[in-house]
Amino acid sequence: QQQVKQSPQSLIVQKGGISIINCAYENTAFDYFPWYQQFPGKGPALLIAIRPDVSEKKEGRFTISFNKSAKQFSLHIMDSQPGDSATYFCAAIPSGGSYIPTFGRGTSLIVHP
Amino acid sequence: DSGVTQTPKHLITATGQRVTLRCSPRSGDLSVYWYQQSLDQGLQFLIQYYNGEERAKGNILERFSAQQFPDLHSELNLSSLELGDSALYFCASSAQGDTQYFGPGTRLTVL
Repeated sequence: QQQVKQSPQSLIVQKGGISIINCAYENTAFDYFPWYQQFPGKGPALLIAIRPDVSEKKEGRFTISFNKSAKQFSLHIMDSQPGDSATYFCAAIPSGGSYIPTFGRGTSLIVHP
Repeated sequence: DSGVTQTPKHLITATGQRVTLRCSPRSGDLSVYWYQQSLDQGLQFLIQYYNGEERAKGNILERFSAQQFPDLHSELNLSSLELGDSALYFCASSAQGDTQYFGPGTRLTVL
C-alpha cells in the first residue's frame, strides 16, 4: 500500500524553466514532509522540508507548497539548471514514535541546457 | 558530505553467501536507519536502531539482521543471498528524529 503518491515519474525541463513535482498522502498522522535529492551513485540528500503549520517554504530556488486540507505538497524548482538533474523523493514522517518516513517513488528530473 | 559513512562502497558476491554492511552515523546521532533501494521498489525502510536497541522494523526479510554497537556504528547482515537482493543499501542517522542524513550507500550485486 503506497501511502505517498509522487508524480510525475519523470520530468524533462529546459534550462531556466520551472520544475514541479507533486506528492499526495493519506495518513493524517504525518507532520513532517522532507524532500530529498539523489544524484546517481550517491545517497539521498535532504533538500528542503516543511511542517503542516505553514503553507509554503522557500530556500533559494527551491519552494515547497503545502495544502493540508487536500493532503498534498509539491516541490517547485525555479530557474532549473542542468545541475539540478537528479532524482527527487518526497517523504512523509509521522509525529512521535520512530519517525519512520514513507517515501514517494521518486521523480527523475532532467534539465536540458 | 552528510557525515554518515558506509563501507564497503561496492560488494559483489554469489547466491547463498553472507555479507555484512557497515555504517557509522554522524557524530552524536543515536538513531540509525537501514534502507534498501531497488529500481522497482524505490526506497524501502528495513530497520531502525536507537542507542543500541531495535526501535522499529519495516520490510526486512528474516534472512537479514542488524545490530548497533556501543560506539553507535551499525551493521546489516544479509545471509543466504538471492539474486533479488541485489540493490543499493543505505543507512541514515538522525538526532532529532525527523531529519535523517543518508550515507553514500553500498551497492550489492549478487551473481
